[in-house]
Amino acid sequence: AQRVTQPEKLLSVFKGAPVELKCNYSYSGSPELFWYVQYSRQRLQLLLRHISRESIKGFTADLNKGETSFHLKKPFAQEEDSAMYYCALLGPNQGGKLIFGQGTELSVKP
Amino acid sequence: KAGVTQTPRYLIKTRGQQVTLSCSPISGHRSVSWYQQTPGQGLQFLFEYFSETQRNKGNFPGRFSGRQFSNSRSEMNVSTLELGDSALYLCASSENRFEKLFFGSGTQLSVL
Repeated sequence: AQRVTQPEKLLSVFKGAPVELKCNYSYSGSPELFWYVQYSRQRLQLLLRHISRESIKGFTADLNKGETSFHLKKPFAQEEDSAMYYCALLGPNQGGKLIFGQGTELSVKP
Repeated sequence: KAGVTQTPRYLIKTRGQQVTLSCSPISGHRSVSWYQQTPGQGLQFLFEYFSETQRNKGNFPGRFSGRQFSNSRSEMNVSTLELGDSALYLCASSENRFEKLFFGSGTQLSVL
């Protein structure tokens, strides 16, 4: 079954601390993985995708096919990083059909 | 460019009624996808349209339907509304089917 699992509903850290939001997936094949973010009162927006191998707002994510994981990391959290983060999977030939995890709320305290 | 526009923002309906939601994609975007978001089930894919054709469909009953017009605008329709259809319905557009999605603000549907 195609599934994305984000084990933490809420992650609370202090400003300046490292952050890791976990994402595991189940898919028989080679999916594309994404992280989407929703800041308070804003639209859901793309943060990064694994094929781009970019660092956006200091966040990085590495696709580990052996562990079927795509964890999101940032070495030093900022208060403005507080938001809802969703990991999502796109299967080959499944255009537009993202499979989302349940989301992790990140709260960065001053 | 203007973002993805969804209308209306809020809707209140009663059980048994039907509803139509509208989505205007970003100019030049040809793919439109619809998602249902609820606290219990999270974000679930409804369907995707590209060049006026439904290309993918999620696991929702036939009461949920949609269409796309030649200008890429899309509508989704829910017939015979049930209480469980209360949700935030999100529309997203992309240039092509495998590019990143741009989401609208959503239509909040409440079924009483």
